[in-house]
Amino acid sequence: NAGVTQTPKFQVLKTGQSMTLQCAQDMNHEYMSWYRQDPGMGLRLIHYSVGAGITDQGEVPNGYNVSRSTTEDFPLRLLSAAPSQTSVYFCASSRAGVRGYTFGSGTRLTVV
Amino acid sequence: AQSVTQLGSHVSVSEGALVLLRCNYSSSVPPYLFWYVQYPNQGLQLLLKYTSAATLVKGINGFEAEFKKSETSFHLTKPSAHMSDAAEYFCAVSDQGETSYDKVIFGPGTSLSVIP
Repeated sequence: NAGVTQTPKFQVLKTGQSMTLQCAQDMNHEYMSWYRQDPGMGLRLIHYSVGAGITDQGEVPNGYNVSRSTTEDFPLRLLSAAPSQTSVYFCASSRAGVRGYTFGSGTRLTVV
Repeated sequence: AQSVTQLGSHVSVSEGALVLLRCNYSSSVPPYLFWYVQYPNQGLQLLLKYTSAATLVKGINGFEAEFKKSETSFHLTKPSAHMSDAAEYFCAVSDQGETSYDKVIFGPGTSLSVIP
């Protein structure tokens, strides 16, 4: 049972480039979320999904897109990378009605 | 809007000493409360959660937390610190929505150091 798998673990982008952060879970969880972690700010919600085909914005959605075509996968797309998007990104999932997330190990993104 | 404050961005304790990490929340309704731990270069792991069943909640690795509504607090404690407890600890809160997605708000985190 792999849990929540994120790829890549590390990435360096140039300003203006685009990329997709991958997230997959094998626990059949309905809910999936993307957070970014910045020093002294805890985790901030970017986008979330309550099921396949359903997504919504979180606290800091600008510059990011998501889609949820299957229960298992929830990719996060950076449209045009900016230095302000340098951060550690975490994907998390949970079963509907069961409080508490399972987190992936994170993607450390640097935009230069 | 919900918010979480964690008093002390960094806490140091001696090995074997009491661990006390403070968390206060603001919520207009009784919330769900969580403590997560993050070891270096890893994701977050759920330590324990309060879901209104009991005010004293026991978690993994010997940690526990007590929900005090009058103080809007959910402090995390462990009687005796171990070197392996050195990590970042996050308190989090969400509303008790039964049918809607629970937006979880995280505090800024407290880094715990354990001194031999």
